[in-house]
Amino acid sequence: GDSVTQMEGPVTLSEEAFLTINCTYTATGYPSLFWYVQYPGEGLQLLLKATKADDKGSNKGFEATYRKETTSFHLEKGSVQVSDSAVYFCALTASNTGKLIFGQGTTLQVKP
Amino acid sequence: DAGVIQSPRHEVTEMGQEVTLRCKPISGHNSLFWYRQTMMRGLELLIYFNNNVPIDDSGMPEDRFSAKMPNASFSTLKIQPSEPRDSAVYFCASSLAGGQNEQFFGPGTRLTVL
Repeated sequence: GDSVTQMEGPVTLSEEAFLTINCTYTATGYPSLFWYVQYPGEGLQLLLKATKADDKGSNKGFEATYRKETTSFHLEKGSVQVSDSAVYFCALTASNTGKLIFGQGTTLQVKP
Repeated sequence: DAGVIQSPRHEVTEMGQEVTLRCKPISGHNSLFWYRQTMMRGLELLIYFNNNVPIDDSGMPEDRFSAKMPNASFSTLKIQPSEPRDSAVYFCASSLAGGQNEQFFGPGTRLTVL
């Protein structure tokens, strides 16, 4: 079945460091891909998305490119801030129902 | 827009008691999702509805769990009887139907079963 695999966390970085969180997926068909972020004590919120191969989603300095050939959707940011500390979830939906399949989440901690 | 509204935000109950969690989706959204989040199992989809009709309840862990959506603006998730292993954060999310549409999550209900 469809699945999403994220890199294990936690990831600990110093402020202004470069961030990469790896995400790979397995799906039949042509899924849409998402990154959601969960700040402490809150629900998940959409960070960015891409709906077809080679699309790049971007928001708040974060970027991810839909790579069909490597079935990947890695999240990157050039310079992280303390306020980026959160749990990041990669997800896909491969049907018109909107059902999301989430990865296990990666905790990011940014230190000043 | 107020976003997805969940109540209560926190619930503490004793084993064996009935628990009802409530969700009001964003107006105009026709898909609604219930999730459970724990440290051990991560984020799990329990059930989802399209146009008030349950589409997939394969994630509902046991018969003790039931969910209803009597109209487009209200859904409940009920646990009867509750057990300590049900302790988790339960999220409700809504979206417009369609695979490319964003799901909007509520703030969650933190359930503790003693």
